[in-house]
Amino acid sequence: LAKTTQPISMDSYEGQEVNITCSHNNIATNDYITWYQQFPSQGPRFIIQGYKTKVTNEVASLFIPADRKSSTLSLPRVSLSDTAVYYCLVGDLAAGNKLTFGGGTRVLVKP
Amino acid sequence: DAMVIQNPRYQVTQFGKPVTLSCSQTLNHNVMYWYQQKSSQAPKLLFHYYDKDFNNEADTPDNFQSRRPNTSFCFLDIRSPGLGDAAMYLCATGPLAGDQYEQFFGPGTRLTVL
Repeated sequence: LAKTTQPISMDSYEGQEVNITCSHNNIATNDYITWYQQFPSQGPRFIIQGYKTKVTNEVASLFIPADRKSSTLSLPRVSLSDTAVYYCLVGDLAAGNKLTFGGGTRVLVKP
Repeated sequence: DAMVIQNPRYQVTQFGKPVTLSCSQTLNHNVMYWYQQKSSQAPKLLFHYYDKDFNNEADTPDNFQSRRPNTSFCFLDIRSPGLGDAAMYLCATGPLAGDQYEQFFGPGTRLTVL
C-alpha cells in the first residue's frame, strides 16, 4: 500500500481557501486517491476521490498532477465548521478495498 | 436513512473482562471493517470481512476477534482488554467495488478500560 505524507496541521481563517497537499511517491497504477474528513468523536466521512487531473464536487476539489505522486485537496471558503482532521488515502478500489490512513492534517479555522 | 450503527457509544470495562462491541448496517454492503483509533492518531485497520471471508491484519493482536453472523451485523470481541486497548473503535462498511469507492463509518464506540 502506498504511503502518504501530509502536513501535521494548518491554520486558516473563515472565508479563505484551504489547500492540503499529500505526497504519495510510490502510488501504483491502479491506486485511487481518496480524502476523508473527521470531526472529534465521530467516524471519518468521505469527501472526494480521484484518479488523475481534477475532480470537483459540492464540498471540495481534488487536484492530481500528471505524475500522480502528490495530490491537493482544496476547500473553498472555509467556515468554522470545517475545523477537522483531513486524511489522504491511496489504494486500489478493487483489491479487497483496504485503505490505510496516514497521519492526517489537523485544520483549524479561526474566526 | 441508511446508515452504520454502533452500540454502545461508550463502553467501560475492567482490565481482563471480555467485552463485545456491535455494529449494524442498513446499506447492505458486502464489506465491513473494524478500526481502532487511539487519541490523536489515525484509524488503524484491525480486520475486515469481504462477505463472510474474514481478513485479519498481520499486526492485529490475537486478543481481538470478530464475528459476522449475517450481512447486517458485525461484532468485535476483545477477549482480555488491557489498558492499552482503550480507544475509539470504528466500524465501517463498503460495497465490493464500483466506480467510486467510499467507506461509510459509524459514530464509533469509545472503550474505557479500568
